[in-house]
Amino acid sequence: AQSVTQLDSHVSVSEGTPVLLRCNYSSSYSPSLFWYVQHPNKGLQLLLKYTSAATLVKGINGFEAEFKKSETSFHLTKPSAHMSDAAEYFCVVRLTGGGNKLTFGTGTQLKVEL
Amino acid sequence: SQTIHQWPATLVQPVGSPLSLECTVEGTSNPNLYWYRQAAGRGLQLLFYSVGIGQISSEVPQNLSASRPQDRQFILSSKKLLLSDSGFYLCAWSGGGDYGYTFGSGTRLTVV
Repeated sequence: AQSVTQLDSHVSVSEGTPVLLRCNYSSSYSPSLFWYVQHPNKGLQLLLKYTSAATLVKGINGFEAEFKKSETSFHLTKPSAHMSDAAEYFCVVRLTGGGNKLTFGTGTQLKVEL
Repeated sequence: SQTIHQWPATLVQPVGSPLSLECTVEGTSNPNLYWYRQAAGRGLQLLFYSVGIGQISSEVPQNLSASRPQDRQFILSSKKLLLSDSGFYLCAWSGGGDYGYTFGSGTRLTVV
């Protein structure tokens, strides 16, 4: 069965410093992986997705993620954090089988300080 | 362009009362539709999904039910709410394949 593990429930960075949000996946097949962002009391917005094309995926708002099969990781990064990046981030894997179901990690709360 | 509407945005209901949350999608046909619940401090849990009118798959046993009376309408219901039904409910649609989801803005349900 496919699953994802987000290694940090909370990450705090200073504005202008790099962001690293960690995610490891478990899958018997080549997975489809996503990162979503959720601002307080809002729905989720797709940041980027990996679907077995280029291993380095660029998303919106300057975020990117690298698929590393040898490490079973799909970490999300951004070179320079902005205050508006403060939100909760979810790593997500698409399940095989019908219905295009996704399973979500437990989330990482990103705090950006001045 | 495709849009997804979910309402109400917030809801406070007493224990034992019924529930009906509605979600509609515009600008696409035959979407896959989903209901997720996000409890405080936890990730998202898939409750129901539907690949077509009248086709509902339940992912977890619970006090809730879902219906899809029209192609682009997905309804989450309960006959009698429990305190444990409190949470943030999100509707989403997908075109299938390797696409992700597009989420609605969510409903914050508080059962008191």
